[in-house]
Amino acid sequence: DAGVIQSPRHEVTEMGQEVTLRCKPISGHNSLFWYRQTMMRGLELLIYFNNNVPIDDSGMPEDRFSAKMPNASFSTLKIQPSEPRDSAVYFCASWLGIGNEKLFFGSGTQLSVL
Amino acid sequence: QKEVEQNSGPLSVPEGAIASLNCTYSDRGSQSFFWYRQYSGKSPELIMFIYSNGDKEDGRFTAQLNKASQYVSLLIRDSQPSDSATYLCAVGQGGFKTIFGAGTRLFVKA
Repeated sequence: DAGVIQSPRHEVTEMGQEVTLRCKPISGHNSLFWYRQTMMRGLELLIYFNNNVPIDDSGMPEDRFSAKMPNASFSTLKIQPSEPRDSAVYFCASWLGIGNEKLFFGSGTQLSVL
Repeated sequence: QKEVEQNSGPLSVPEGAIASLNCTYSDRGSQSFFWYRQYSGKSPELIMFIYSNGDKEDGRFTAQLNKASQYVSLLIRDSQPSDSATYLCAVGQGGFKTIFGAGTRLFVKA
């Protein structure tokens, strides 16, 4: 299995632009998580899905952030409009389900908003 | 108050010594506890998990849990330079939600 696949690996954009981050979870994993990591705030949970349904989006910082999971093999995190304070590494992780302890993380997307 | 708190470090130990990493959590209903290791520029990887009070050993790693004190720790015996990384404490709050601490940076000096 290729693991959790995220794209792009790096994204540099200008303030005000729309940014879309993509994630393909491991096949068969029922849950998908979006995290954001910064030096100041550490690894923050933004939103998670179970069976493609958003369960908890209380970590999404503002209405500028939205996430979708149209099917079991694809999710997007969108920021519109982007701001410099959104600069961070965004990780997607997938989980097989209860009884399995490990979250499998993708390689992350390094986002820089200028 | 943060849900999961760790000392950011850095914690510096000599090669061969025991490294002790600590974590406290605020939600008494938390059910599962994890330690992830993250090398610079890489994604986190699970190294230990523990559900019950007491100690759990796996090779050079020992996780300790005290639910009454809401305290989790990780001991690394015979520390090696390759153990130098950031260690993230994570807490499962039931169902699917896993909350991470900000991490403790560990340096093992050769």
